[in-house]
Amino acid sequence: DMKVTQMPRYLIKRMGENVLLECGQDMSHETMYWYRQDPGLGLQLIYISYDVDSNSEGDIPKGYRVSRKKREHFSLILDSAKTNQTSVYFCASSRGLNNQAPLFGEGTRLSVL
Amino acid sequence: GEQVEQLPSILRVQERSSASINCTYENSASNYFPWYKQEPGENPKLIIDIRSNMERKQIQGLIVLLDKKAKRFSLHITDTQPADSAMYFCAASGYGGSGNKLIFGTGTLLSVKP
Repeated sequence: DMKVTQMPRYLIKRMGENVLLECGQDMSHETMYWYRQDPGLGLQLIYISYDVDSNSEGDIPKGYRVSRKKREHFSLILDSAKTNQTSVYFCASSRGLNNQAPLFGEGTRLSVL
Repeated sequence: GEQVEQLPSILRVQERSSASINCTYENSASNYFPWYKQEPGENPKLIIDIRSNMERKQIQGLIVLLDKKAKRFSLHITDTQPADSAMYFCAASGYGGSGNKLIFGTGTLLSVKP
């Protein structure tokens, strides 16, 4: 079953705490993404990964880092979370060749208090 | 960075009428244009896409048009139903430094009134 799985689905953290968002996919997709979604701003690309240990900054990478040690797994890390990082985070994956539409996970709703 | 402009941001139509959403992109090398539908509390889901070797594509009541010269593409929903009410996002392919990426528009909130 083709699926992108995000954990956790909901998360509440205090300002300054570290946050780890996990994403997995079972399709052997080469490319994986992390987006955040805020009202009126659409989907903003944080990081993109083209394969294991091949990560590139997206449009808003500041305050985030990523890790991709296995093709099926892509993590987003917030070191010392800030209140303005409260958002909905979506992971997505796609085949690497010839532009394919990403398949999105269910999202993680993060609140930083 | 590259941007995709999407208009309108809010669209209200009467049931059974048509709805149109327009997007423009900056990069003439963009060659792939997907459209996503997102219902409240859910993830975006692909509904239709078009590549630059086509000018028009239709899947049932969804029509996508692409004008490469004007760097413009649009989604037309014919015979709208209340179930079409959702957020819609357009996207255009771009270059992400090490490979391709997608650039999303800011979304259109479609409301179909019975």
